[in-house]
Amino acid sequence: AQSVTQPDIHITVSEGASLELRCNYSYGATPYLFWYVQSPGQGLQLLLKYFSGDTLVQGIKGFEAEFKRSQSSFNLRKPSVHWSDAAEYFCAVGAWLTGGGNKLTFGTGTQLKVEL
Amino acid sequence: DVKVTQSSRYLVKRTGEKVFLECVQDMDHENMFWYRQDPGLGLRLIYFSYDVKMKEKGDIPEGYSVSREKKERFSLILESASTNQTSMYLCASTRQQETQYFGPGTRLLVL
Repeated sequence: AQSVTQPDIHITVSEGASLELRCNYSYGATPYLFWYVQSPGQGLQLLLKYFSGDTLVQGIKGFEAEFKRSQSSFNLRKPSVHWSDAAEYFCAVGAWLTGGGNKLTFGTGTQLKVEL
Repeated sequence: DVKVTQSSRYLVKRTGEKVFLECVQDMDHENMFWYRQDPGLGLRLIYFSYDVKMKEKGDIPEGYSVSREKKERFSLILESASTNQTSMYLCASTRQQETQYFGPGTRLLVL
C-alpha cells in the first residue's frame, strides 16, 4: 500500500525567503505525485503534478517540485515566498484504479506561516 | 473550468440522525470520491465511485455509505451520525487518469 510522509507539521518563513516543503512517499510502482494547497476554509487546489518525464515540475503560483526516485522524495520549492502563500500544503501519491482515475493517498500536511 | 459543488458548507446534526452530504460535478467526470479531513491526519478516503451505481470502499468506510444514481452526483450518507464523525468532508471528481478536482468542503458538527 502506498503512503506519504510530510515530516514538517509547521513551517514559518519570512516573506521573500525561499521555501522547501518535504515529501517522502512509499509506492511499489512508478508513482504519480501531486502537491495541493488549501487556504483556510477552502477546498484543495492543485499546485502541480508529476506523471512522467522531466523530474523537475513547474506549477502555479511560482512553485516547482523535483521528483527524486533514489530518495523517494517529491519536495516542493518556491524561491521567494509571498504573504498570500500562507496555507496548508498536502503531498499525495496516486495509484491508478482498475476502472480509471486514481486513488490518492495524502500526507498529513504542512502548515505554512509567512512572517511579514 | 471544472466545478465541484457541495450542498452545504456547514452542517450541525444530532447524534443518531441520518445525514446526507451531496456532491455535484459539472464536467462529466467518471470518477468521484469522498474524503474526510481531520487535523494531523490529512485526508482519508471514505468511498469512491468510478461509474454510475458503482462504489468501492476506501480506507475508512465504516459508518458511511454512498449513492451514485446519476453520473454528476455522488452522495455520502451517515446512517446514524456519531460525534466521532464530526469532521470536514471533501468531495472530488476526475476524468480517467487525470487530476482530482475538489469541492469547497462541508464542515459537519455532530452534537
